[in-house]
Amino acid sequence: EVQLVQSGAEVKKPGATVKISCQVSGYTFTDHYIHWLQQAPGKGLEWLGLVDPENGETIYAEEIQGRISITADTSTDTAYMDLSSLRSEDTAVYYCARGGVVGTTTIFTFQIWGQGTKVTVSS
Amino acid sequence: DIQMTQSPSSLSASVGDRVTITCRASQRISSYLNWYQQKPGKAPKLLIYGASSLQSGVPSRFSGSGSGTDFTLTISSLQPEDFATYYCQQSYKTPRSKTFGQGTKVEIK
Repeated sequence: EVQLVQSGAEVKKPGATVKISCQVSGYTFTDHYIHWLQQAPGKGLEWLGLVDPENGETIYAEEIQGRISITADTSTDTAYMDLSSLRSEDTAVYYCARGGVVGTTTIFTFQIWGQGTKVTVSS
Repeated sequence: DIQMTQSPSSLSASVGDRVTITCRASQRISSYLNWYQQKPGKAPKLLIYGASSLQSGVPSRFSGSGSGTDFTLTISSLQPEDFATYYCQQSYKTPRSKTFGQGTKVEIK
C-alpha cells in the first residue's frame, strides 16, 4: 500500500523556521516527484513546490520562493519542506503529495496525499 | 497565468440526485484537468485525472468530461459519503500558474 506519512503539528513564533517531513512507503521513492501544498483555514489549495527525489532538483511557486526549501533523502525515503521567516499568514495545513511517474504527463497530478501537518504561527 | 473558475461555489442536493460541477480554464488546457474530493479535516483525494479517467478505487458514479476550457464533474446518484468539497486542478501549464479552482461545497438538502 502506498503511504505518505507526515510529521506532527507545529507551533512556531513569527520569524521562525518550520521543517516538516513526509516519509513514503509502498513504491520506489525516486520514480515520482513529491509536491508540497498549503491549505489555510477555510481556504482552498495552493501548490508550493516540488522535489525530484532522483536528483534533488526543485521548483518553487513564485509567491513563496526565497522562504521555502524542499529536499529529499533517498536513504530514508523521506521528503522535507522548510519554511522560513514565518508569519501569521503561514498558519495552515501543509500536505505532501505524490505526483505521477516522472517523465509522464501526470507529474502534476497529485495521486496520493499525506495526512497533513498543521502549522500554527503565533506570538 | 491560467485561472480556474468553478461553479457553483456551493450547492445543496439530496441523496440520489444527479450533481454536476463545472470548471472553466482561462485558456485552453487540452485534457490536463483533475478533480479531487476533500472531506472536513481530511486530505484531498484524487477522483478523476486527464479530464475523464477514473482513479483506481473511485466509484463509477463519478465521471468527468470536457476538454479545452470547459470541464464537468458529474455524480450520477449522490450518496451520503459524497458530501464534501470538490476541487478542479489544471496540470497543463505548471508550475508558475495557479493550479486549483476555488472549490465547490456539496451539502445535504
